[in-house]
Amino acid sequence: GQQLNQSPQSMFIQEGEDVSMNCTSSSIFNTWLWYKQDPGEGPVLLIALYKAGELTSNGRLTAQFGITRKDSFLNISASIPSDVGIYFCAGRDFGNEKLTFGTGTRLTIIP
Amino acid sequence: EPEVTQTPSHQVTQMGQEVILRCVPISNHLYFYWYRQILGQKVEFLVSFYNNEISEKSEIFDDQFSVERPDGSNFTLKIRSTKLEDSAMYFCASSEWSGALHFGNGTRLTVT
Repeated sequence: GQQLNQSPQSMFIQEGEDVSMNCTSSSIFNTWLWYKQDPGEGPVLLIALYKAGELTSNGRLTAQFGITRKDSFLNISASIPSDVGIYFCAGRDFGNEKLTFGTGTRLTIIP
Repeated sequence: EPEVTQTPSHQVTQMGQEVILRCVPISNHLYFYWYRQILGQKVEFLVSFYNNEISEKSEIFDDQFSVERPDGSNFTLKIRSTKLEDSAMYFCASSEWSGALHFGNGTRLTVT
């Protein structure tokens, strides 16, 4: 089946630093989504990408849909304490309803 | 901002019992989904529902599972005879079209 590899698995950064994480797929997707999940809550949509090469921002967050359709990255600039959490990429391929989720990147901010 | 709501937030049940997890999707959305997340693992697709029927399901969604949209607002997941390995967070999601999904806060199911 489809696999989404997300890296890094975890990140320990200081407040104010920039963050970069990415996702690669074994197959082509036509939609890439990025979610953040806080403990005990559901995934919250951050950015949606629908077109290869698309670069989209949401405040301090920027995500890109890779040209090959097999990868995507998420950048967070000037991290703040509320950025702590688990970030998941998710992809959908043509003709399918299901989203395949990545393994997640746990972001921790060191005081 | 409209949101997906799920009840209960936590359900404890004994092995072999039936459970029904309830969801109220966002009102103008047309696609509905159930996902689950075993503790510490990634989110896994169970089933999608559109136009009053299942449009896609995963291998996890076997005969023990069923979904229903009994009225214009609720969307339910029933597990007929729960097993220990059904213990997980179950997330309902909805989307306006086949695009970005919006998730609820989940129901934590504990099977003892």
